[in-house]
This record gives sequence, C-alpha cells and structure tokens, in this order.
Amino acid sequence: ILNVEQSPQSLHVQEGDSTNFTCSFPSSNFYALHWYRWETAKSPEALFVMTLNGDEKKKGRISATLNTKEGYSYLYIKGSQPEDSATYLCAFIGSGNTGKLIFGQGTTLQVKP
Amino acid sequence: EAQVTQNPRYLITVTGKKLTVTCSQNMNHEYMSWYRQDPGLGLRQIYYSMNVEVTDKGDVPEGYKVSRKEKRNFPLILESPSPNQTSLYFCASSLEGGTGETQYFGPGTRLLVL
Repeated sequence: ILNVEQSPQSLHVQEGDSTNFTCSFPSSNFYALHWYRWETAKSPEALFVMTLNGDEKKKGRISATLNTKEGYSYLYIKGSQPEDSATYLCAFIGSGNTGKLIFGQGTTLQVKP
Repeated sequence: EAQVTQNPRYLITVTGKKLTVTCSQNMNHEYMSWYRQDPGLGLRQIYYSMNVEVTDKGDVPEGYKVSRKEKRNFPLILESPSPNQTSLYFCASSLEGGTGETQYFGPGTRLLVL
C-alpha cells in the first residue's frame, strides 16, 4: 500500500509569517506530484505539478520544491495572508499506474490577521 | 466557461435505493476520476477513466460503478447505497491522466444515506 504523508496536520500562523509544510511519498517509481489548495466549501484547485527531481515551482508567494530521491516535497508560503487559509493537499502518482492518485491527508493552514 | 459540473449537489437517500451522480466536463479532457472525502481520511480515489470506454479501480471502488460511454460524461452509480457511503464526492478531469496535467475538480456532491 502506497503511503503519502503530510505534516504538520494543521498550522496556525500570524499574518506576515512565512511557513512551510512537507509531503512525503514513496521514493521508488515516482512519476509526478501534485499540490492542491482547498478552501472550505469550495473545490480543490491546482497549485503545482512537479515531475523532475530538483524541480522548484513558484506562484506568487507560494513555492514548492521536489526531492524524488528521498521522497519529499516542500510547500512554502512567504508572508502568509488570511486569504492563504486553506487545506493544502499533495497527491502522488506512481510510474506503475499513472491514472491513480494517492492523496495525503492535507495540512490545514490558519492565518490570523 | 471551462468547468466540471456535478449533479445533484446535495442528496439525501435511503439504504438500497439506487442513485446516480452525474459528472460532465466541457474541456475535451481525456481523463476523469471520482473521489470521496471523509473527515480524517482525506481524498480517496474511487474510479478513474483514462479515456472513453476505459475505466479502472481506484483505492475504494467497492459499492460503486462507473461508465465512460462518451468523453464528456463520467457518472458514478451506487446500485445499493449504504450508510457508509455517506460522504462528499468530487469528480475531476484533466487533459491526460498521470502525465503531469493538473486536475480540475467539480463543485462536489454531498450524499447522506439513511
């Protein structure tokens, strides 16, 4: 059974703080890793798709890195704002079955004004 | 507007009464997938379809059926719903499956089985 773990489970920060969280996944048979942002009462929205070891992607104040050899990805938020409050999900796709996504349980971020 | 639509958005039903949740996308996407979301368990994949007439099981397929007779539609069928299928269901689509394409999610269907 493939396991995708996210940590921490939840995070409370003050507006302006920078923060980061982790997605751990199997280091063998890697194909791709997705990051999604999921606000309460809405649908998950794609942030990044990462496919290459060493990949670094950026979207505004949010960035992500990927280490496929050791099986982890970091998501960074610089200068958190209240509108960043959401659950951040990662999803692993293995090369053995590229239609199957294994999601982590998510990191819920709460940014206090 | 490019989107994934699901119907119904909310449904209350009783054990054993067959139901279908429809999913449709207008982006000409090859890949479609169904997920359920339960507290503490995150999103779990039920079934997915890489293309028309091609479907495969995800992690939690028991009690569900799907079909993909045309590219735009991917209905989820519960032949005999049970209370443990009470959940929030999402349909998603992407240009292709597993090739690094992001998925677009529908608005979700909240199902309560009594």
